[in-house]
Amino acid sequence: GENVEQHPSTLSVQEGDSAVIKCTYSDSASNYFPWYKQELGKRPQLIIDIRSNVGEKKDQRIAVTLNKTAKHFSLHITETQPEDSAVYFCAASKRGDKIIFGKGTRLHILP
Amino acid sequence: DTEVTQTPKHLVMGMTNKKSLKCEQHMGHRAMYWYKQKAKKPPELMFVYSYEKLSINESVPSRFSPECPNSSLLNLHLHALQPEDSALYLCASSPLFDPNTEAFFGQGTRLTVV
Repeated sequence: GENVEQHPSTLSVQEGDSAVIKCTYSDSASNYFPWYKQELGKRPQLIIDIRSNVGEKKDQRIAVTLNKTAKHFSLHITETQPEDSAVYFCAASKRGDKIIFGKGTRLHILP
Repeated sequence: DTEVTQTPKHLVMGMTNKKSLKCEQHMGHRAMYWYKQKAKKPPELMFVYSYEKLSINESVPSRFSPECPNSSLLNLHLHALQPEDSALYLCASSPLFDPNTEAFFGQGTRLTVV
C-alpha cells in the first residue's frame, strides 16, 4: 500500500522567511496530493492541492511542487506570518482508495 | 453551507456507557468519513460511507459502530470503550469517494473515556 513520509517533523523559521516541507510517496499510481493545515484545537483544513498532471501550483504565499519521477512533493510558504504557525499534513491518494497522510510537520514562526 | 457539523464538541464517558457521535452536512456530498486523531498524530481513517453504504472499515473494533441514516447524516455509536480510545473524532465529507476532491472536516468531538 501507499506510504507517505514527511520531513521535517518540526520546523522553526523567522517571521518573514520561507518555510519548506517535503514529502515522498511510494505508490506511483497516486495522483492527488493535498496539504492540510491544522491549528491547535481545530479541524484540518485544505490549504492547497495538486494533481499528477501538474508540476507546480501557487496560491498567494503558498506553492506546491510535484516531481512524479522522484515521487516527491513539497510545500513552500513565503513571507511567513505568525498565523502560519500550525501543524501541516501532506497526503497522497489515488482513485477508489483512501487518503494516506504524512506524520505532520509542526511549524513555528518566530517573532 | 460549506460546513460539516459535529455534536457534541466534548464527551466524557465511562467504560460501561453507550453514547453516539453525530455528524451532519448539507453540501450534497455522497461520501462521508470517520477519522480518529490522537495528539500530535495525523488523522487515522476508521470508516468510509459512499452513497450511504459502508465502503471501507479499517478493521475497527466492534465497540465502534457506524451508521449512515441518510445522505446528510453520519453517526458513530460507542459502547464499552477503553481509556485508550480517548481521542479527537473527526467527521469529513467529500462530493464523491474520489480522492481527487477536497475532503471537508468537521470540528471534531473530543472524547475522553474514564
